[in-house]
Amino acid sequence: GAGVSQSPRYKVAKRGQDVALRCDPISGHVSLFWYQQALGQGPEFLTYFQNEAQLDKSGLPSDRFFAERPEGSVSTLKIQRTQQEDSAVYLCASSLNGGSYEQYFGPGTRLTVT
Amino acid sequence: GIQVEQSPPDLILQEGANSTLRCNFSDSVNNLQWFHQNPWGQLINLFYIPSGTKQNGRLSATTVATERYSLLYISSSQTTDSGVYFCAVDNYGQNFVFGPGTRLSVLP
Repeated sequence: GAGVSQSPRYKVAKRGQDVALRCDPISGHVSLFWYQQALGQGPEFLTYFQNEAQLDKSGLPSDRFFAERPEGSVSTLKIQRTQQEDSAVYLCASSLNGGSYEQYFGPGTRLTVT
Repeated sequence: GIQVEQSPPDLILQEGANSTLRCNFSDSVNNLQWFHQNPWGQLINLFYIPSGTKQNGRLSATTVATERYSLLYISSSQTTDSGVYFCAVDNYGQNFVFGPGTRLSVLP
C-alpha cells in the first residue's frame, strides 16, 4: 500500500514568512510523529499525535511552531515568522499505535529560509 | 532522557567487504529500529528489533536489550549500501531518540 507522503518536497521561504507542511500518514495508522533534521545530524523529535490528540509537543523549539491533526489523519506543521535557523528537513512518520510499534517515515520537506 | 551512541561515526569499505555497526543506549527500550538514509534523504526501514536477532538478505541485526546495545551487520557490501545508518530507540516515551548515525561509503 501507499507509504507516508509529504508535501511540498521543497520549500523556500523568505525570513518572516509563514509556512505550512503537510503529512499524509499510512492509512489506518493511529500515531503520527514530526521530526526535524538539521544538516549532518540525526532527526530530532518535535511532536506526536494519537488520532487527533496531540499528546506530546515537548520537542517544538518555539511557540512559532504549531501542529495539528484535526480529523486524526492528515497533519499540518505550521511555522510562523520563519527564521534562518528553521532551515532543515522536516520528517513525518506514522505507526499503528504508539512508539512501541514500527515507525515509517515520509520523504521529508526540505525548508530553506533565506 | 535516554542517550544513544553509534560507532564508528564514519566507515569506508571496499565493495564486497563486511562490516559491523554498533548502537549503545543508556536505558531500557520498548522499540529499536535501524534505518538507512539514502543520498536523497529517505529513511528506509531496515529492522524493527527491540530484542533478538533478525536477518534480511545481506543484512542482519542483533539487539541485546539487557546489555543495552544493538549491532547491524552488513555482508558483501555494495555501492548502493552507501549512506547514513541510524539507530533510533523509544524508552516508553512515545517518540524516537535517534543516534548521530554512521556514515558508510562503499567504494567500487
